[in-house]
Amino acid sequence: KAGVTQTPRYLIKTRGQQVTLSCSPISGHRSVSWYQQTPGQGLQFLFEYFSETQRNKGNFPGRFSGRQFSNSRSEMNVSTLELGDSALYLCASSSQGANTEAFFGQGTRLTVV
Amino acid sequence: AQSVAQPEDQVNVAEGNPLTVKCTYSVSGNPYLFWYVQYPNRGLQFLLKYITGDNLVKGSYGFEAEFNKSQTSFHLKKPSALVSDSALYFCAVRASSGGSYIPTFGRGTSLIVHP
Repeated sequence: KAGVTQTPRYLIKTRGQQVTLSCSPISGHRSVSWYQQTPGQGLQFLFEYFSETQRNKGNFPGRFSGRQFSNSRSEMNVSTLELGDSALYLCASSSQGANTEAFFGQGTRLTVV
Repeated sequence: AQSVAQPEDQVNVAEGNPLTVKCTYSVSGNPYLFWYVQYPNRGLQFLLKYITGDNLVKGSYGFEAEFNKSQTSFHLKKPSALVSDSALYFCAVRASSGGSYIPTFGRGTSLIVHP
């Protein structure tokens, strides 16, 4: 079974631009979550989608948004990029609810210059 | 608000010795607890979880963890460490808060196993 796939692996963007990251979950998984990982803040939860609906949301500004498609693939978008948005963005999929483990992709390394 | 604490940024242990990576949590309801491991330039990999039942849970690669409700702890353990266990370990909790189950991760503990 293929794992969680994130594209692209690396991105360099300029301040003020916007970016879209993509995540393909494990086949059959309906839940997709996004995380931001930085050395200073650790791993922070952005949002979770389940069957195309946002189920949970972390404490991030509205510049961070996401969506999930009918095939469970998900995208997250960051608008008006700031230097502080430089991070590793991780996507994780799981089969169902809060008591199931998450399977993580390798991440997208975003650098904002 | 729920929180997870991993009090040690780094744990050093000699190969063959037992290892413990500590985790304590604070939640308002019953927690779901998880341990994940991250190798360099990789995403996180699931090791084990506690949902309910037996307080001692066994996971991948010989790891185990003990849920202690009174001490609100979920320490990760392994009887005999391997050099290949060297990695970054994350404890995570999910518990109901107003109907939401926001996942909260600790800041991670770097485990270094010396040959």
